[in-house]
Amino acid sequence: GAVVSQHPSRVICKSGTSVKIECRSLDFQATTMFWYRQFPKQSLMLMATSNEGSKATYEQGVEKDKFLINHASLTLSTLTVTSAHPEDSSFYICSASAGQGYNEQFFGPGTRLTVL
Amino acid sequence: GQNIDQPTEMTATEGAIVQINCTYQTSGFNGLFWYQQHAGEAPTFLSYNVLDGLEEKGRFSSFLSRSKGYSYLLLKELQMKDSASYLCAVLDSNYQLIWGAGTKLIIKP
Repeated sequence: GAVVSQHPSRVICKSGTSVKIECRSLDFQATTMFWYRQFPKQSLMLMATSNEGSKATYEQGVEKDKFLINHASLTLSTLTVTSAHPEDSSFYICSASAGQGYNEQFFGPGTRLTVL
Repeated sequence: GQNIDQPTEMTATEGAIVQINCTYQTSGFNGLFWYQQHAGEAPTFLSYNVLDGLEEKGRFSSFLSRSKGYSYLLLKELQMKDSASYLCAVLDSNYQLIWGAGTKLIIKP
């Protein structure tokens, strides 16, 4: 089956620093990658959708200058949380799909971000 | 607006059967997904329904009625490892996934 990896799995940082999270599709080319955030006991919240080689589409309420997304290749997307604050502490999950239409989203294992 | 409703929490007994319901109101419909998510982990795919009827896959089955905007996930012969959250998600007319809040399933011995 399709495998998506995320790195790091867990990160603790100080307030005001920036954190980069990588999402890789290991055995398929991901035309589209999705970034989600999930707070404790809540459902997934889509932050943005990114297509390889183009700018990400952000959901309403998500600051694109704070959450920088780069999808430079068909196997790699990165999310950078700039000037992180404690309220940004959350579980960040990426998923990848091979195309439009019905294409199952394959989820990465998630990154637990804690901002002190 | 778009809306997906599912119960917040359910409790069942090991070895029993449980049905988790999901109702949806979305702009268009291109299929409905069920995902399982264990605490602290990412979701894993369980099923996809785009036509009416029942899809069976081992101990898990998923049902869809498009006219009623309704789906259910049926889990048989429950095992302790089935304790997890079950997420219902609908692919809308723009092929965007709309997520429900999830149903936390607690299995008791």
